[in-house]
Amino acid sequence: SQTIHQWPATLVQPVGSPLSLECTVEGTSNPNLYWYRQAAGRGLQLLFYSVGIGQISSEVPQNLSASRPQDRQFILSSKKLLLSDSGFYLCAWSRGSSSGELFFGEGSRLTVL
Amino acid sequence: GQNIDQPTEMTATEGAIVQINCTYQTSGFNGLFWYQQHAGEAPTFLSYNVLDGLEEKGRFSSFLSRSKGYSYLLLKELQMKDSASYLCAVSAVPYNTDKLIFGTGTRLQVFP
Repeated sequence: SQTIHQWPATLVQPVGSPLSLECTVEGTSNPNLYWYRQAAGRGLQLLFYSVGIGQISSEVPQNLSASRPQDRQFILSSKKLLLSDSGFYLCAWSRGSSSGELFFGEGSRLTVL
Repeated sequence: GQNIDQPTEMTATEGAIVQINCTYQTSGFNGLFWYQQHAGEAPTFLSYNVLDGLEEKGRFSSFLSRSKGYSYLLLKELQMKDSASYLCAVSAVPYNTDKLIFGTGTRLQVFP
C-alpha cells in the first residue's frame, strides 16, 4: 500500500530563518507531488507541483522554493521566512490519472515569530 | 478568475441530514471533489463528480450540476465523528485533473 510522510510535524521559527520541510512517498512510482498551504480562515492554496524528478511548477510567487531530488521525495524550502509564511503545510501525491484523487501527508504546522 | 464558494459554518444534530452547498466559477472544469478534514489533520477524499447527477457512497452523497456551477454534499444519519471541515475543490486545468482549486471549507459541528 502507498504511504506518505512529511516532517517535521510542528515547528516554530524566527523571521528571517531558513526552512526545510520534507515529504516522502512509499509504495508507488512516478507520482505527481504537491505542496499546499492552508492559512487560518483560507482554503488550501497550491504552492508547487511536480510531475517528475527535477520538474517543479510554481503556482504562487513567494519566497518559498521546492525541489524533487528523487522520484518520491519532495522538499519545500525558504532561505528567509516571513511572518506571512505561517500556516499548515500539506504535501500530497496523486497517480496522475483521471481520478484526480489527492493523498495528503499528515501536515506540518509552521509558526513564524 | 477562479472562485469557489461554500458556507463557512453549519451545525446539525446527531441522526439528522445536512446538505453542504458549493458554487464555483472557474475557467475550465474537469471534475468536482469533496474532501473531509478533521481539525489539525490532513484532508481525506470523499467523492468525485464529473458528470451531472448524484453519486451515492454510503451515508454520503454528492451532486453536481455543471450548467449551474453547483454541487452539494449530503450527509445522512449524522454521527458525532462527522464533525469536521468539508472542502469543495474543482479541477479546472485541461489535461491535469490533479491540480485542484479548493474552497475555504465548511466547518460542520454535530451536536448530540
